[in-house]
Amino acid sequence: SQTIHQWPATLVQPVGSPLSLECTVEGTSNPNLYWYRQAAGRGLQLLFYSVGIGQISSEVPQNLSASRPQDRQFILSSKKLLLSDSGFYLCAWGGQGKTQPQHFGDGTRLSIL
Amino acid sequence: SQQGEEDPQALSIQEGENATMNCSYKTSINNLQWYRQNSGRGLVHLILIRSNEREKHSGRLRVTLDTSKKSSSLLITASRAADTASYFCATALNTGFQKLVFGTGTRLLVSP
Repeated sequence: SQTIHQWPATLVQPVGSPLSLECTVEGTSNPNLYWYRQAAGRGLQLLFYSVGIGQISSEVPQNLSASRPQDRQFILSSKKLLLSDSGFYLCAWGGQGKTQPQHFGDGTRLSIL
Repeated sequence: SQQGEEDPQALSIQEGENATMNCSYKTSINNLQWYRQNSGRGLVHLILIRSNEREKHSGRLRVTLDTSKKSSSLLITASRAADTASYFCATALNTGFQKLVFGTGTRLLVSP
């Protein structure tokens, strides 16, 4: 069966520090991969998605970047965190094709001090 | 801006009652999906309904889709305390790549 791992679960970082969140998927190949951010009490905002190794599409201009160095690995990064980067970050994978559900990791709660 | 808007924003019921949540969206879709999120956790996929379908069932869940009104509803029958969670609709547009646009969610509280 397919599983998705996302870590760390919580992270407290000072303003201006770098960030690296990692997400890995097991049990499937060539998945579509997604990074979302969820503000408190709100829906999910798509940040990045990837259809293959090295292919990244950004949905909104921001202080973050994403990379996909391996088929089932998706990394969210920042060189210098801002207070506005605080939030709940979720990684998800989906199969190819339009009528595919997405499967989510348990998220990372990021607090910027 | 968000594609979907759920209504109500919050719903409080007793165990055994039915819960109905509504979702409205703005543009043509390929499919609409419902997800559940327990507090502080990731989202769990519940059900997917295609644009050419009008109703779908899965266990105690019933989803309807009215593309003429650009709306969907999720009915949870005989609710349980374990159904307490936030519920989100998400629309997949007809453009090339499957991206989901999530609504703002309905917070459901089921009291024993």
